[in-house]
Amino acid sequence: GEDVEQSLFLSVREGDSSVINCTYTDSSSTYLYWYKQEPGAGLQLLTYIFSNMDMKQDQRLTVLLNKKDKHLSLRIADTQTGDSAIYFCAERSTGANNLFFGTGTRLTVIP
Amino acid sequence: DAGVIQSPRHEVTEMGQEVTLRCKPISGHNSLFWYRQTMMRGLELLIYFNNNVPIDDSGMPEDRFSAKMPNASFSTLKIQPSEPRDSAVYFCASRGPSGEQYFGPGTRLTVT
Repeated sequence: GEDVEQSLFLSVREGDSSVINCTYTDSSSTYLYWYKQEPGAGLQLLTYIFSNMDMKQDQRLTVLLNKKDKHLSLRIADTQTGDSAIYFCAERSTGANNLFFGTGTRLTVIP
Repeated sequence: DAGVIQSPRHEVTEMGQEVTLRCKPISGHNSLFWYRQTMMRGLELLIYFNNNVPIDDSGMPEDRFSAKMPNASFSTLKIQPSEPRDSAVYFCASRGPSGEQYFGPGTRLTVT
């Protein structure tokens, strides 16, 4: 089945850039998503990218997709303390309804 | 839009009691998903509906769990009888036009 992997932890200093990485195994993945979960809250959709794109930028967020290596990354520029959260990567195959989620990366921003 | 609405936000109950969790998806969304999140197992898909019909319930842990979607704007997840190991945060999500899912705030269930 589909496998989505992320590192569990990342710490960065306030003002630096954060890069959260994700790898997936399903070659038919069509859509890839990034979610943010703050303590005690649900998953908030941050952004998503179609597999025919290799980059998407949205304000401080940049998503890079290397389809050949099945590698997805989320870069957060000028990281703030409010960015501290768990970030989930998810993928969806063509024609599928459900998403497959990674384990989540806990981002800690050090003031 | 109010987003996905779940109730209650918190539920504390005793082992053996019936628990009913409720979800209202975003209007116009045709697919609805129930997830469970725990520290040990992470985020698990329990069941999902398409046009009010259950499509895949392979994630439902046991017969104690059941889910219904009587109409496009309402779904329930029921646990009867509840056990301490059911303690978790239960999320409902509905699916947007590009397959993205919008999550509700979750119901934190504690079974003592």
